[in-house]
This record gives sequence, C-alpha cells and structure tokens, in this order.
Amino acid sequence: AQRVTQPEKLLSVFKGAPVELKCNYSYSGSPELFWYVQYSRQRLQLLLRHISRESIKGFTADLNKGETSFHLKKPFAQEEDSAMYYCALSLIRLVFGQGTRLTINP
Amino acid sequence: NAGVTQTPKFQVLKTGQSMTLQCAQDMNHNSMYWYRQDPGMGLRLIYYSASEGTTDKGEVPNGYNVSRLNKREFSLRLESAAPSQTSVYFCASYRAEYQETQYFGPGTRLLVL
Repeated sequence: AQRVTQPEKLLSVFKGAPVELKCNYSYSGSPELFWYVQYSRQRLQLLLRHISRESIKGFTADLNKGETSFHLKKPFAQEEDSAMYYCALSLIRLVFGQGTRLTINP
Repeated sequence: NAGVTQTPKFQVLKTGQSMTLQCAQDMNHNSMYWYRQDPGMGLRLIYYSASEGTTDKGEVPNGYNVSRLNKREFSLRLESAAPSQTSVYFCASYRAEYQETQYFGPGTRLLVL
C-alpha cells in the first residue's frame, strides 16, 4: 500500500540552525511528491514539489529513490518557519504523512 | 478568482444533529476532496470526487455522506453528528494534469458536544 511516513511529530530548533524534516514513502512506481505547509490557523499551501527542483523560502527537498525519501531542508531556520509541514505523495489522490510541527526558537 | 471556499468557518453541534459543509471552487477543477485534520493524525481523506457525477470513499468515510452537486460544488453531510467528528474539515480541488497540485480551502472548525 502507498504510504507516507514523517517520523517526527515535533521538531524544535533554534533560529539560524539547520532544519531537516524527514519524509519516507512507499510506492512502487515513479513518485510525485510534495511538501505542504500550514501556518497557524491557515489553510494548507503548497511549499514545493520534487518535479520542479525549486527552492521556496530557502527550503529544498531532494528525492532519493534508493532510500525512498524526500526530506525537506533549510540551512538557516527563521522564526517565521514555525508551522506544520506535511509531506504528500500524489496518486489519484494525495496521500499525506502525519505531519511535523516545526518550532523555531529565538 | 476566489480559489476554494468553504462555509461555515465554524460550527457547534449537539450530538445527533445534522449539518452540511459546503465547498466550492472556481478553478474549473475536475476533482474535489474532503479531509479531516486531527492532532497527531495528519490529514485523512473522507471522500473524494474524481469528476462530476462520481464520488468515492476515502480512508474515514463512516458517518459522512457527500454530494457532487456540479463541477464547482462538493458538499459533506453529517447525518447524526458524534463527538468523534469534532475536527477541522478541509476541502480541496485538483486538476489532474502533470505538475498540478491540490488547492485547499480555509477549513471549517466543527465542535460536536
């Protein structure tokens, strides 16, 4: 079965420190993966997608098919990065991980 | 272009009451979805509609019904609300084309007492 796993429910780092949010997936085909972000009491919004290899708000994510991972990284965390982050696998519908709540401490 | 809109924003129900959550999109998307978001559970798919006239169950459909009224609108109905249905409900729409993604509504907070 297709599944997305985010092993960390909570992640707390200091401002300026590097951040890595982990995401692993199980899917036998070619995955289409996304990271969504949800700021406090707001709707989910797309942060980035693996197919476009872009950097949004300083975040990047690289698809590693060998490790079936799509970890989200940022070299220097900012306080405004505090949010809920969801990794998602796109099939006919999106399959979401359980989410990681990222807190950036001043 | 409003994107995905949901009504109401917040609702309090008593156990056993019924209500319908409304969702509309103006992006001409074929597919629409209803999720619920609970702490520690992430987003779980309740129902989805791949195209106008079709609906399918997701991961947690029990206690819910849906109607795809037309291409724009997709409603979620709770016939007899239970406290376990206290949650935040998100509607989303999707145009199944390459590199497209789902767009989400602002959510409906539902409290069932």
